[in-house]
Amino acid sequence: EPEVTQTPSHQVTQMGQEVILRCVPISNHLYFYWYRQILGQKVEFLVSFYNNEISEKSEIFDDQFSVERPDGSNFTLKIRSTKLEDSAMYFCAKKTSGHGNEQFFGPGTRLTVL
Amino acid sequence: TQLLEQSPQFLSIQEGENLTVYCNSSSVFSSLQWYRQEPGEGPVLLVTVVTGGEVKKLKRLTFQFGDARKDSSLHITAAQPGDTGLYLCAGGTNAGKSTFGDGTTLTVKP
Repeated sequence: EPEVTQTPSHQVTQMGQEVILRCVPISNHLYFYWYRQILGQKVEFLVSFYNNEISEKSEIFDDQFSVERPDGSNFTLKIRSTKLEDSAMYFCAKKTSGHGNEQFFGPGTRLTVL
Repeated sequence: TQLLEQSPQFLSIQEGENLTVYCNSSSVFSSLQWYRQEPGEGPVLLVTVVTGGEVKKLKRLTFQFGDARKDSSLHITAAQPGDTGLYLCAGGTNAGKSTFGDGTTLTVKP
């Protein structure tokens, strides 16, 4: 299974700043996901993206969050005005069609909000 | 809200011992995945179970999906220090989100 790559590996930002996390490159998969994991806590679902639109989102994914596929391959997560509690690992995942819900995760971006 | 509970939360054993990790829920899942996660990295898929009662083997790891598709277990035979890590179960609907358990941190001492 092809790898999922994410950039940057680590992002440090000031509270209130906008950040864009990238998931690149993406092959021709239809299903993409963003998850986050606060240090020491469980992996939490943020949003799923199917056929170029959001198919499901969690309570965490409020108006400060957005997702895009700006050029048909990259998949981005934008946080408009970061808060201290947004500090976490953010994982992009993809799913191939069929065979249950098995997802393949990227290495993650560690976001630190100061 | 679908919840997955894993037990035990922490497990420390000697090399060569056997162990079982459990993943339980009150909800039915269309499939269940087991992942392994190293510190600072993303979860790595180990196996997917789809059919109630299904058993899958991956070398010394045996995965079982409960008949009612609400629970699963991971059994490791003759554990080795290389098995040390965080084991996560995750359940979900087809093409939908995955709901993760809290994980089981396994330490295998040589």
